[in-house]
Amino acid sequence: DAGVTQSPTHLIKTRGQQVTLRCSPKSGHDTVSWYQQALGQGPQFIFQYYEEEERQRGNFPDRFSGHQFPNYSSELNVNALLLGDSALYLCASSRTPDRDEKLFFGSGTQLSVL
Amino acid sequence: DQQVKQNSPSLSVQEGRISILNCDYTNSMFDYFLWYKKYPAEGPTFLISISSIKDKNEDGRFTVFLNKSAKHLSLHIVPSQPGDSAVYFCAAENNFNKFYFGSGTKLNVKP
Repeated sequence: DAGVTQSPTHLIKTRGQQVTLRCSPKSGHDTVSWYQQALGQGPQFIFQYYEEEERQRGNFPDRFSGHQFPNYSSELNVNALLLGDSALYLCASSRTPDRDEKLFFGSGTQLSVL
Repeated sequence: DQQVKQNSPSLSVQEGRISILNCDYTNSMFDYFLWYKKYPAEGPTFLISISSIKDKNEDGRFTVFLNKSAKHLSLHIVPSQPGDSAVYFCAAENNFNKFYFGSGTKLNVKP
């Protein structure tokens, strides 16, 4: 049973560019959340997708957007990249509405903005 | 605004001894708390959780304690093993599946 898979594992971009990160949730999971983990910090909630809609959002600008597909996979898009967007981006999946179902994380995409 | 805080960035413990990792939170609406462990180049993995209606939850060598009046939780690992060396994050939830994480404590268990 494949867990949460993310691609790519590493990415280097320059300021002003746009990036798309991809995530496939754990089998049986229908909810995908995205987190940003800056160096030395804990993961910070970006947003969550359920039934192909953004259900919740953290304190991130509109440059951060996402999408969920009918097969529950998800994309995170970041426009007009800033140096401060350099971080590990984690995708986590879960199953709604089972609250006992813990978040399962992927290994992340390490984004470097130069 | 950091709603979940882990004030110890690192902890070093001898193998076989107890490891105690601490976490404080500010939002009294949090009703579910978890600990995650993270190895380098891997995503965080779930370790143990506790609901706000309990004050203790135990799973093998791992025990989480919750003190709601102090808004404090702790993770005890007994006995500590070298394989426990990792970064530990506490997390809190008050809205379905939206988690707030602390900044992590790096645990080093020395053989």
